[in-house]
Amino acid sequence: TQTVSQSDAHVTVFEGDSVELRCNYSYGGSIYLSWYIQHHGRGLQFLLKYYSGNPVVQGVNGFEAEFSKSDSSFHLRKASVHWSDSAVYFCAVSAGYQNFYFGKGTSLTVIP
Amino acid sequence: DTTVKQNPRYKLARVGKPVNLICSQTMNHDTMYWYQKKPNQAPKLLLFYYDKILNREADTFEKFQSSRPNNSFCSLYIGSAGLEYSAMYLCASSSRVANTEVFFGKGTRLTVV
Repeated sequence: TQTVSQSDAHVTVFEGDSVELRCNYSYGGSIYLSWYIQHHGRGLQFLLKYYSGNPVVQGVNGFEAEFSKSDSSFHLRKASVHWSDSAVYFCAVSAGYQNFYFGKGTSLTVIP
Repeated sequence: DTTVKQNPRYKLARVGKPVNLICSQTMNHDTMYWYQKKPNQAPKLLLFYYDKILNREADTFEKFQSSRPNNSFCSLYIGSAGLEYSAMYLCASSSRVANTEVFFGKGTRLTVV
């Protein structure tokens, strides 16, 4: 069974700051990794995913994530956050692109 | 239309009574999922359908049932609701064949009293 760990429950930054949201997983095989965002009162929305190739993947709204096999990580980054980026971010892992397992989420608050 | 629709948005149920939640999508996705989400916890995968094949997670096998009468609809059935079933239930869909991301509905908030 895959597990996903998001070590930070809450992250608070100022608008214009850079941010990194951490995600670590445990699974030994080939996996899909992805990030989802949930704004208050809305459903989870896809940000980006990785399966193979370039370990740095670009997503929507300036987000990117980097896969590291040695660290079993898939951290999400943004160089300059906007207040509208305030949301809960979920990391997910899947083997075979069917059983998607999620982390507990990281709540990002961006102060204008 | 890339939305996953869930009905109802809010559901109130009595302990011991059955609950049926409905989900639909018109993206012709081969896979549909049900997750349970409680505050400060990760969305927990309950089960998913790949085409007509139902896969249920081992630890929730006996607590939840589901049906998928056609490609577009999927239901989640609780035979006898307990207080511990109070949660947000998220339906989602994806296409394994087309390797799409997972699309989520807004959820149904179930409160069992």
